[in-house]
Amino acid sequence: DQQVKQNSPSLSVQEGRISILNCDYTNSMFDYFLWYKKYPAEGPTFLISISSIKDKNEDGRFTVFLNKSAKHLSLHIVPSQPGDSAVYFCAASGGTYKYIFGTGTRLKVLA
Amino acid sequence: EAGVTQFPSHSVIEKGQTVTLRCDPISGHDNLYWYRRVMGKEIKFLLHFVKESKQDESGMPNNRFLAERTGGTYSTLKVQPAELEDSGVYFCASSQAPPTPYSGARVAFFGQGTRLTVV
Repeated sequence: DQQVKQNSPSLSVQEGRISILNCDYTNSMFDYFLWYKKYPAEGPTFLISISSIKDKNEDGRFTVFLNKSAKHLSLHIVPSQPGDSAVYFCAASGGTYKYIFGTGTRLKVLA
Repeated sequence: EAGVTQFPSHSVIEKGQTVTLRCDPISGHDNLYWYRRVMGKEIKFLLHFVKESKQDESGMPNNRFLAERTGGTYSTLKVQPAELEDSGVYFCASSQAPPTPYSGARVAFFGQGTRLTVV
């Protein structure tokens, strides 16, 4: 069973607008969440993280929101830039160091 | 500071052969992980080393996979004998030992991956 789900396989956004990527999880033991960005033929690059004691974390153009009651997190990118085009993976961990990843969302930012 | 490096970047082998993947973690990182992504699906955990000890190998698919981390430095992942379903991208990652569960040191940094194709 998939404990971390990214239900949108792809998303297209105009440059300068907001990109919102969503992630749902089922395991209430998860207490740390991360977003990674992946370009073709490269490894995942860490973007931003949030622990379960917070509901929001910001880093420049990137903000992650965590809704524990809904078991949902989202990544907001404002403003979106063409260089943000990549596959974004949501990951979660709890009690251990291993991550459970979602299947990824391919973001395309249109110039 | 050098990141996580993996070798080789690509490997094509025949079914039944043996392949060994290598990972050099970021210097000073006690935690080392192996993950695999198959057919564009999710990235799946294989195992976790703390220094030279296997902390969690719950994701290893079967006994054809053997991971080692000699002296707590670099790690190797051997697949013997390789099967067609072993094809995929194998990622290595490393992280520091965090002082608290909520510190940023729980972030793992990934290498570029080894693309393994078994034909």
